[in-house]
Amino acid sequence: EVQLVESGGGLVKPGGSLRLSCVASGITFSPYSMNWVRQAPGKGLEWVSCISGNSRNTYYADSVRGRFTISRDNAKNSLYLEMNSLRAEDTAVYYCAREGLSQEFDYWGQGTLVTVSS
Amino acid sequence: QSVLTQPPSASGTPGQRVTISCSGSRSNIGSNYVYWYQQLPGTAPKLLIFSNNQRPSGVPDRFSGSKSGTSASLAISGLRSEDEADYYCAVWDDSLSGRVFGGGTKLTVL
Repeated sequence: EVQLVESGGGLVKPGGSLRLSCVASGITFSPYSMNWVRQAPGKGLEWVSCISGNSRNTYYADSVRGRFTISRDNAKNSLYLEMNSLRAEDTAVYYCAREGLSQEFDYWGQGTLVTVSS
Repeated sequence: QSVLTQPPSASGTPGQRVTISCSGSRSNIGSNYVYWYQQLPGTAPKLLIFSNNQRPSGVPDRFSGSKSGTSASLAISGLRSEDEADYYCAVWDDSLSGRVFGGGTKLTVL
């Protein structure tokens, strides 16, 4: 069974930090780029970050560049998102998604909720 | 505010054909492939269309995508109640060096 399972979400104060994880099973992980996409409560999808299969290339949305860091461990089939200097506007469900050969997001996790509030 | 513009809502009756538009610019839709995702209430998004007009296996041929210039469209024919969902277009933007999503269209089946 194909699974992407996110974890690490929770309640954090403004200015705080959080590390999200995404573990893949049942799919090929290492050659493919991986992405984080978030969705604020009642809002649309927002792309956050992408990392290439060999970790050489990373990309970030302007809204998180300099505060968030994407990384991966192919030996563990795992993707990470280190989030620092968190703001209220970072409150969202964070999804990990695999990027297929045609740059499509072909597999998605179920999401993990991050709430930034004092 | 997204660089891709979608109508916030669309509606149709069962059996009808509806289209959802996605308007962008030369740096995104005008230069790259368009993707469409369906998000049913309370669930993660699901890939519906890739590379402008290709359907993944398992997606009914009632769903089709097209692109012309800096705009793209998703068409759903033979509308069914289970098609009631939010639909998002997405594309790589060369100016932003990142992926962008449209604001989403909520489809209601009357």
